[in-house]
Amino acid sequence: YELTQPPSMSVSPGQTARITCSGDALPRRFAYWYQQRPGQAPLLLIYKYIERPSGIPERFSGSSSGTTVTLTISGVQAEDEADYYCQSADSSGTWVFGGGTKLTVL
Amino acid sequence: QVQLQESGPGLVKPSQTLSLTCTVSGVSISSTYDYWSWIRQPAGKGPEWIGRIYNSGSTAYNPALQSRVTISLDTSKNQFSLRLNFVTAADTAVYYCAIEGSGGFDPWGQGTLVTVSS
Repeated sequence: YELTQPPSMSVSPGQTARITCSGDALPRRFAYWYQQRPGQAPLLLIYKYIERPSGIPERFSGSSSGTTVTLTISGVQAEDEADYYCQSADSSGTWVFGGGTKLTVL
Repeated sequence: QVQLQESGPGLVKPSQTLSLTCTVSGVSISSTYDYWSWIRQPAGKGPEWIGRIYNSGSTAYNPALQSRVTISLDTSKNQFSLRLNFVTAADTAVYYCAIEGSGGFDPWGQGTLVTVSS
């Protein structure tokens, strides 16, 4: 089972970034999003498609439509430059991560 | 504040066993309702879930690694451990321990690089 993400994208500061993740089981399995800065461990941004942990800025939001889930970053800031990973489960319940999207802030 | 810290050898020879320990602070392993997980990430790739253990000792592993993996608990030391047998170069990665709850993996340890090489 695979979760497919675009390898890279770039946005200018203040713009909106939308990072997609596609997988056949996503309509039935929760999706999660993580941010990973160079040399750091991943940080949970979104859980159960749309929920945001305490301490995560409101400019990060999640949504779902069919077999695609989307992480939206509104008003992108320079500090948002990082790798972003989606996570979900396959039909047997094994956790799977996407290949990651490298976000560049121009 | 809950913190996790991985420890273990940074270099393992091919065909040998990789052994790592995760030390947990800020919460008792035996009292939480969450799972204790291991995740690895090869350079330039996405993370890969290895497996988890519950405070009862029950485990679940990634089918791709199940035949080589063992995760165990040491509640007296508030630690859990990973053993991966018969390693090859493909097992070279940063290994993380993390808490797995209903809200995803949070928090993670800082990670430890394990290189498989002779």
